[in-house]
Amino acid sequence: GAVVSQHPSWVICKSGTSVKIECRSLDFQATTMFWYRQFPKQSLMLMATSNEGSKATYEQGVEKDKFLINHASLTLSTLTVTSAHPEDSSFYICSARYLSGGRQFFGPGTRLTVL
Amino acid sequence: GENVEQHPSTLSVQEGDSAVIKCTYSDSASNYFPWYKQELGKRPQLIIDIRSNVGEKKDQRIAVTLNKTAKHFSLHITETQPEDSAVYFCAAWTLGGAGKSTFGDGTTLTVKP
Repeated sequence: GAVVSQHPSWVICKSGTSVKIECRSLDFQATTMFWYRQFPKQSLMLMATSNEGSKATYEQGVEKDKFLINHASLTLSTLTVTSAHPEDSSFYICSARYLSGGRQFFGPGTRLTVL
Repeated sequence: GENVEQHPSTLSVQEGDSAVIKCTYSDSASNYFPWYKQELGKRPQLIIDIRSNVGEKKDQRIAVTLNKTAKHFSLHITETQPEDSAVYFCAAWTLGGAGKSTFGDGTTLTVKP
């Protein structure tokens, strides 16, 4: 299957700081990337859909000014958690869709802990 | 939009038995139905998928069946092994479309040795 990488794999930060997470499709061009948040023992919660070259589409209840998404190229999308607080601590997973509406592959996830 | 329901939420079977997880979807436009396996702390991995022009697909011990009329699809795991223990997610979306993927809530499968 296609390879999606995510960096960093884990990060610990102080409350009030911003954290950037990168998602890369390594061997294919991803027209669409998705960002999910996952709490322990729970399903994937879609935060936003990111299409290359256009603004991200956020799900209801997700603050676009807090979770900044940039999809500058067909192989890279970034999620920046601004002014992070302890309640933002979670497992963030990106995924990339191969071709338009095609198969979807997940990154390894980023464990964010905000102190 | 699409709505995917997955049952059961937890499933415990004895090693060697079969396990079946079922999902229903609401959007008749959906034509692609993947299944993912997620082990604790790891990424969801695509294990099998099926398109709407096919009723059944099999890959060794794993099979997926699709009933378009009833809008439901199922994952079948035969001869289960302890390493099959994980959370399984179904999903549905439209191939070739720009819409988002919709996931079920997941099924925690435990295979007892």
